[in-house]
Amino acid sequence: KAGVTQTPRYLIKTRGQQVTLSCSPISGHRSVSWYQQTPGQGLQFLFEYFSETQRNKGNFPGRFSGRQFSNSRSEMNVSTLELGDSALYLCASSLGDRGADTQYFGPGTRLTVL
Amino acid sequence: GQQLNQSPQSMFIQEGEDVSMNCTSSSIFNTWLWYKQDPGEGPVLLIALYKAGELTSNGRLTAQFGITRKDSFLNISASIPSDVGIYFCAGQLKGSNYKLTFGKGTLLTVNP
Repeated sequence: KAGVTQTPRYLIKTRGQQVTLSCSPISGHRSVSWYQQTPGQGLQFLFEYFSETQRNKGNFPGRFSGRQFSNSRSEMNVSTLELGDSALYLCASSLGDRGADTQYFGPGTRLTVL
Repeated sequence: GQQLNQSPQSMFIQEGEDVSMNCTSSSIFNTWLWYKQDPGEGPVLLIALYKAGELTSNGRLTAQFGITRKDSFLNISASIPSDVGIYFCAGQLKGSNYKLTFGKGTLLTVNP
């Protein structure tokens, strides 16, 4: 079974631009979560989607948004990029329909904001 | 938000030695997960724990879900150079399913 895939793997943008990242979950997984990883803050939860609905949300500004499609693929968008948005963005998928759920991560998208 | 205290922050050991790291919290967790991350890659799941007191092994790795549900440890026996990386604990808080809280990670260096 193929793992979680993320595209693109690397991205360079300038301040003020917007960016869209894509995540394809493991087949059969209906939950997709997004995390931001930086050296200073570690792994921080952005949001989680299940059946095309945002089910959980972290403490990030509204510039960070996401969506999920009917095939469970998810996209994350960051508008008006700031230098501090430079990070590794990770998505993780899980079945999403049981109380104790195990998340499997993709390789991440390395975003650099200049 | 809720914090997971992971220790130690880093470890330098000789090949063949055993390693132990742990995570603690003041909150109750329903699930504990241990991941390993190599530079530039996503975390890879090592062990998942779902019940208080559960002790699970995966090769040379052993992890336990604390009885109080507020802590977990990971042991690596007979370390080898490819064990190098950052190890993260992660947990799902009681009442907060599908949202993982991560520890800050333990950087493991193994000297051959």
